Amino acid sequence: KNEVEQSPQNLTAQEGEFITINCSYSVGISALHWLQQHPGGGIVSLFMLSSGKKKHGRLIATINIQEKHSSLHITASHPRDSAVYICAATKGNQFYFGTGTSLTVIP
Amino acid sequence: EAQVTQNPRYLITVTGKKLTVTCSQNMNHEYMSWYRQDPGLGLRQIYYSMNVEVTDKGDVPEGYKVSRKEKRNFPLILESPSPNQTSLYFCASSLWDPRNTGELFFGEGSRLTVL
Repeated sequence: KNEVEQSPQNLTAQEGEFITINCSYSVGISALHWLQQHPGGGIVSLFMLSSGKKKHGRLIATINIQEKHSSLHITASHPRDSAVYICAATKGNQFYFGTGTSLTVIP
Repeated sequence: EAQVTQNPRYLITVTGKKLTVTCSQNMNHEYMSWYRQDPGLGLRQIYYSMNVEVTDKGDVPEGYKVSRKEKRNFPLILESPSPNQTSLYFCASSLWDPRNTGELFFGEGSRLTVL
């Protein structure tokens, strides 16, 4: 069983839709990261959360420590948001990754 | 410009031929780590280092070695590569604190094929 589970695995949305990607983890963590990987392969860090909520532009990330659950929301989605979104949990000095959510936003 | 640089970006090699993938960062980060990414399995941590001369195993260390002789460099060594090490490899770095909450900065990835 993976320490970190993401859902859905694949997601297709129309431009402008509100998108939610979920991440559940079984380990006790010190931080939860959301990463973005574009088709070219490069990985960029979007958020690092240890509690509460963070917002960057149209992206919002939340975490509920008691429920061991985090969500990534994209408001007013755009085709350039098409990418794989990966959550990663930090436990001690190690990282545990979900298998990613592949998002396609159609114009 | 803050960056993590990996080389080579692409490599095709044969079973048993030793190779090294280099990783260098210019942000004075303490924490550096290596990951492999495989379809259906996602990213998995191979080795990490919390500072010079301090390294430790991640989830999938078998068949790999690392060293951290300088703060900026963290090479990944495959002493005798095998086909099951064909993968996309990423190096990453971050500032380190006791709760390991630093933002991760990734290199561009190295696609390795072992024949």
